[in-house]
Amino acid sequence: ETGVTQTPRHLVMGMTNKKSLKCEQHLGHNAMYWYKQSAKKPLELMFVYNFKEQTENNSVPSRFSPECPNSSHLFLHLHTLQPEDSALYLCASSQEYRQNNSPLHFGNGTRLTVT
Amino acid sequence: AQTVTQSQPEMSVQEAETVTLSCTYDTSESDYYLFWYKQPPSRQMILVIRQEAYKQQNATENRFSVNFQKAAKSFSLKISDSQLGDAAMYFCAYRSDFGNEKLTFGTGTRLTIIP
Repeated sequence: ETGVTQTPRHLVMGMTNKKSLKCEQHLGHNAMYWYKQSAKKPLELMFVYNFKEQTENNSVPSRFSPECPNSSHLFLHLHTLQPEDSALYLCASSQEYRQNNSPLHFGNGTRLTVT
Repeated sequence: AQTVTQSQPEMSVQEAETVTLSCTYDTSESDYYLFWYKQPPSRQMILVIRQEAYKQQNATENRFSVNFQKAAKSFSLKISDSQLGDAAMYFCAYRSDFGNEKLTFGTGTRLTIIP
């Protein structure tokens, strides 16, 4: 049982669709993250939220739009995606942001395929 | 910028034997943290072990231990008494101690356990 839950587990969408990925953490953490995992590439940090405020955006295209309504929920809204955006999207949380004794807890990811 | 290199895309080991996964990194910083994460087929990234660069003693967690060579910028993971449940992708990761939350990951090593 993971403390970080992601839905859906799999998503197939066309380039003109709009969809959202959802992440929920039950750990009482204050920081939440979106990572992108592509085949044969290192994990890429996309966004960081701390106490609902976005603190990092690592040059992510605007077709990815994050939303953090509270410390327990994180969304990634998708629109007009490209086939190269197909990847595993991982959500993570940590007790504190910028606290090196605060390890990341990951969800099971959403496998996204853009057709 | 920091980089993390895992030069072994795939490794295999006989059950109950010992295996070592390699990781090297490049940084100009003197204080940082190093991690090994495991990603089984469930896709959830799980922290295996963590090492603070200022500590000379190698970290150990049950059957998992590291060989941290700071001068050589090497951080290998040794798994003793390998079990079938150890089969997974293993990722080495680096994080600066200067308040930057960003984890820099390697490309991973796929470990297969041979019964």
